[in-house]
Amino acid sequence: QQQVKQSPQSLIVQKGGISIINCAYENTAFDYFPWYQQFPGKGPALLIAIRPDVSEKKEGRFTISFNKSAKQFSLHIMDSQPGDSATYFCAAKGKRETSGSRLTFGEGTQLTVNP
Amino acid sequence: NAGVTQTPKFRVLKTGQSMTLLCAQDMNHEYMYWYRQDPGMGLRLIHYSVGEGTTAKGEVPDGYNVSRLKKQNFLLGLESAAPSQTSVYFCASRDKLLGAGRYNEQFFGPGTRLTVL
Repeated sequence: QQQVKQSPQSLIVQKGGISIINCAYENTAFDYFPWYQQFPGKGPALLIAIRPDVSEKKEGRFTISFNKSAKQFSLHIMDSQPGDSATYFCAAKGKRETSGSRLTFGEGTQLTVNP
Repeated sequence: NAGVTQTPKFRVLKTGQSMTLLCAQDMNHEYMYWYRQDPGMGLRLIHYSVGEGTTAKGEVPDGYNVSRLKKQNFLLGLESAAPSQTSVYFCASRDKLLGAGRYNEQFFGPGTRLTVL
């Protein structure tokens, strides 16, 4: 049972446009929401993360918007560039450290930014 | 500092064969994880370890075993491979320290692409 739902599955954006990827979660016992970026043939790498006590976090062109009441969070990529073309995964971490700080991942979104 | 390394990078097995995937990290991390990645399903946790000598089941543990005899190594074993285990396998590690931001970061290896015929 997927506890973190991600959409869309794929996204095509023109260079300079805004890319938006959405995630929704069911478990209220999550306390950390990261986004990972994965290039072909590579392992995922942390892009940006947020805790549920803030509604927005921005790092350069990347912004996470978090809606605790709706149990949703989204990644916005401003001024999207061809180099941003990758697969993006949202994730959520359980509060209990006895669970090994496990991450539950969304299904992934393949982003293509056309030049 | 190599980070997280995985061997082998590619492997083709026949149904019923066994193999072991090796993950090594040089960051002195306490926590280590094994995931499998399949199209449209994201990353699913197979097994994890919170320290040397400890292991625990994740979301999809059936058909896999693990061992963490040394802190820096985490082995994933397939005793009798099945076509359903065709996947890309990723190992990750994380520091035990708690905190905000990147302190919760999991560092991933480059992956092992396994095909079971």
